[in-house]
Amino acid sequence: AQSVTQLGSHVSVSEGALVLLRCNYSSSVPPYLFWYVQYPNQGLQLLLKYTTGATLVKGINGFEAEFKKSETSFHLTKPSAHMSDAAEYFCAVMKAAGNKLTFGGGTRVLVKP
Amino acid sequence: GAVVSQHPSWVICKSGTSVKIECRSLDFQATTMFWYRQFPKQSLMLMATSNEGSKATYEQGVEKDKFLINHASLTLSTLTVTSAHPEDSSFYICSARDKETEAFFGQGTRLTVV
Repeated sequence: AQSVTQLGSHVSVSEGALVLLRCNYSSSVPPYLFWYVQYPNQGLQLLLKYTTGATLVKGINGFEAEFKKSETSFHLTKPSAHMSDAAEYFCAVMKAAGNKLTFGGGTRVLVKP
Repeated sequence: GAVVSQHPSWVICKSGTSVKIECRSLDFQATTMFWYRQFPKQSLMLMATSNEGSKATYEQGVEKDKFLINHASLTLSTLTVTSAHPEDSSFYICSARDKETEAFFGQGTRLTVV
């Protein structure tokens, strides 16, 4: 069975500082990888995804993530945090096209002024 | 991107009553829809996968008779929580898939059973 591990349930960053959210997965084959953001009492919004091709993926709101097969990781970064980035972030994997998503435990980001 | 509308956004019901939550794909046809449950400060737990015109596939531990799922058309799936009890209070989120690797989420429904 697949699993997704997000290191750190809470991350606190200062406005303007680097945001780094870690995600590691366990899978026998490279899966499809996703990052979602959730604001309070709302659904999930896709930030970015990796399916095939370039391993550095750029998403919305200045976020990007790099797929590293050797490390089975898909860490999410943003060079400069903004107050509006305060939210819950979920990493997810899909074993193959058409399969269900498996979510990590989530990381709550707090941005300090 | 595609839009998934979930209704209602929040609902309060009395213990023992049933509640229906709707999930609609507004601008695309969703052959597959997913229903999740999310407890406070926790991740999403997949409850069931719903394919248009067929019975839903429930995850292990999810009561089929408790959480009735209907996917009668390519744009609508419903989740009915039957005989709701306080322990059913939660945040329920639906997701609809248009392409094989793209899933769009509804805004969620906060259910409170009193």
